[in-house]
Amino acid sequence: EADIYQTPRYLVIGTGKKITLECSQTMGHDKMYWYQQDPGMELHLIHYSYGVNSTEKGDLSSESTVSRIRTEHFPLTLESARPSHTSQYLCASSGGTLSYGYTFGSGTRLTVV
Amino acid sequence: QKEVEQNSGPLSVPEGAIASLNCTYSDRVSQSFFWYRQYSGKSPELIMSIYSNGDKEDGRFTAQLNKASQYVSLLIRDSQPSDSATYLCAVNVNTDKLIFGTGTRLQVFP
Repeated sequence: EADIYQTPRYLVIGTGKKITLECSQTMGHDKMYWYQQDPGMELHLIHYSYGVNSTEKGDLSSESTVSRIRTEHFPLTLESARPSHTSQYLCASSGGTLSYGYTFGSGTRLTVV
Repeated sequence: QKEVEQNSGPLSVPEGAIASLNCTYSDRVSQSFFWYRQYSGKSPELIMSIYSNGDKEDGRFTAQLNKASQYVSLLIRDSQPSDSATYLCAVNVNTDKLIFGTGTRLQVFP
């Protein structure tokens, strides 16, 4: 079954650690996105990609980086985690002209202590 | 002015009533429109999409689009407590990415 997967589902990590949040999709979608969302708040686009070797920064400034070496894989990395990075991170993908909207992963809830 | 605007709510309706959620958008060239439902702590899930003026029905949900007035709405008939969630309106402007509203929180009380 085609789907989009995020791991880990929950992560508690100490300040200063390097972390990578994984996102993979099996739908062959070219477009992938990372959103940050605090509880009860709106979605903020932090990174997106239109295909392999394509990455763009989103509307919200973020200290994270992304890569897109394979179509199905779009990991997000924080080189040095800080408590201000505590949030939910949502990955999404879409094909073609976005006629079918996004499919979202289950999200990663990150807590930096 | 935000590109996609929604009333943040909460919108409170009794069980069995019709819940009406509204969304306005600023870009006249918007192509397609989506409603997502997001339960607390969960990721958004797509519940309706609409592309042409008029109504589109799917079960208890009806999406309404009026491009001339630049609004899209979602009606939920026979509202259930399980419909309590935040509803996000999203608009596809240039096929690059969706623009999301801030969401309307719906509360359905027994």
